[in-house]
Amino acid sequence: QQQVKQSPQSLIVQKGGISIINCAYENTAFDYFPWYQQFPGKGPALLIAIRPDVSEKKEGRFTISFNKSAKQFSLHIMDSQPGDSATYFCAAPNQAGTALIFGKGTTLSVSS
Amino acid sequence: DAGITQSPRHKVTETGTPVTLRCHQTENHRYMYWYRQDPGHGLRLIHYSYGVKDTDKGEVSDGYSVSRSKTEDFLLTLESATSSQTSVYFCAISAVRDRGNEQFFGPGTRLTVL
Repeated sequence: QQQVKQSPQSLIVQKGGISIINCAYENTAFDYFPWYQQFPGKGPALLIAIRPDVSEKKEGRFTISFNKSAKQFSLHIMDSQPGDSATYFCAAPNQAGTALIFGKGTTLSVSS
Repeated sequence: DAGITQSPRHKVTETGTPVTLRCHQTENHRYMYWYRQDPGHGLRLIHYSYGVKDTDKGEVSDGYSVSRSKTEDFLLTLESATSSQTSVYFCAISAVRDRGNEQFFGPGTRLTVL
């Protein structure tokens, strides 16, 4: 079954530090790679997404880096803040292009 | 939550009973999805719909059925609930598929099967 492998499972970062979460994917129907952020008791919310025309996308403190040849993409959170403490999921389209396959999630804790 | 509501938000039921969860959207989006979320497993697709009366199975569809008689409503039914179906269930919607499949999630339903 198609998988998206996400690491690390959990991450503790000091306030002001850089958080990095990595994902590896298998063959997809098309190139679209989103990241979702989820707070306890809430549904996942789309945070940032990248399409293949660029190798990097930045929105504020959040950056996606994309390596098509390695089939990997990562999320970087610069100047991490306690409010960033949440679970982050990466995702990729399945081979049929009918749905997203999600990684298992990374729980980020930013200590003050 | 992008015009998506789920009901009920919490439910406790007994093994063997049927359960129906409802997802309602006000966005008129074509695609709707049901996921379950479990610790250590992330989000797993149960079923999805690509139009009224058009549905298909996801990776964990056994024990679940769905129906979509109107654009705005997508129902998930557990025919005979089991303890392994204790989970948090999320509905998601998407306007387009080929150019991104950008999905927006509802608030979730926490289901406990005793």
